[in-house]
Amino acid sequence: ETGVTQSPTHLIKTRGQQVTLRCSSQSGHNTVSWYQQALGQGPQFIFQYYREEENGRGNFPPRFSGLQFPNYSSELNVNALELDDSALYLCASSLGGTAEAFFGQGTRLTVV
Amino acid sequence: AQSVTQLDSQVPVFEEAPVELRCNYSSSVSVYLFWYVQYPNQGLQLLLKYLSGSTLVESINGFEAEFNKSQTSFHLRKPSVHISDTAEYFCAVRPLRGADGLTFGKGTHLIIQP
Repeated sequence: ETGVTQSPTHLIKTRGQQVTLRCSSQSGHNTVSWYQQALGQGPQFIFQYYREEENGRGNFPPRFSGLQFPNYSSELNVNALELDDSALYLCASSLGGTAEAFFGQGTRLTVV
Repeated sequence: AQSVTQLDSQVPVFEEAPVELRCNYSSSVSVYLFWYVQYPNQGLQLLLKYLSGSTLVESINGFEAEFNKSQTSFHLRKPSVHISDTAEYFCAVRPLRGADGLTFGKGTHLIIQP
């Protein structure tokens, strides 16, 4: 049974660009959620996908969007990057209806 | 909405001494409670969780946490710490119902001194 994997591990982008981060959920998990962790802070909930539909969203602007695919893998897209988007982006998967979420290692995004 | 307060940003403690990391939460609905640990440059690992039942929960590596509903607290304790316990610890809550994600505290950096 494989765990949650994220790619890439590190990324540097220029302000105004767009970025796509990827996540493969743990085998058998149908729910994926994304979090942003700024330096020295706790993770903040961006949104959640269940069976390819967004079913929960935190306080993030629409330029943060996502997708979930039939195999339950997921993408996080961020448009019009700002310097404050520099953070560790964490993906977590879970089995819908249960409370426990398993996290990937994260993608470190730096916006310059 | 939910909020989580971790009262200490840093806790230094000597090796083999006991430690308590404090966590208080606020929520208008019933929640699940969690402690996660994050080692440098890594993701989050679930340390322990309270879903229901006994208010004292334990992890396999000697940590325990007690849910206190009246004080809305979920403090983490370990009777004897090791160098390998040096890490960032996050308390988190999630509503029993709905699609809200986890709400995390700002974290407590546990520093083990030899």
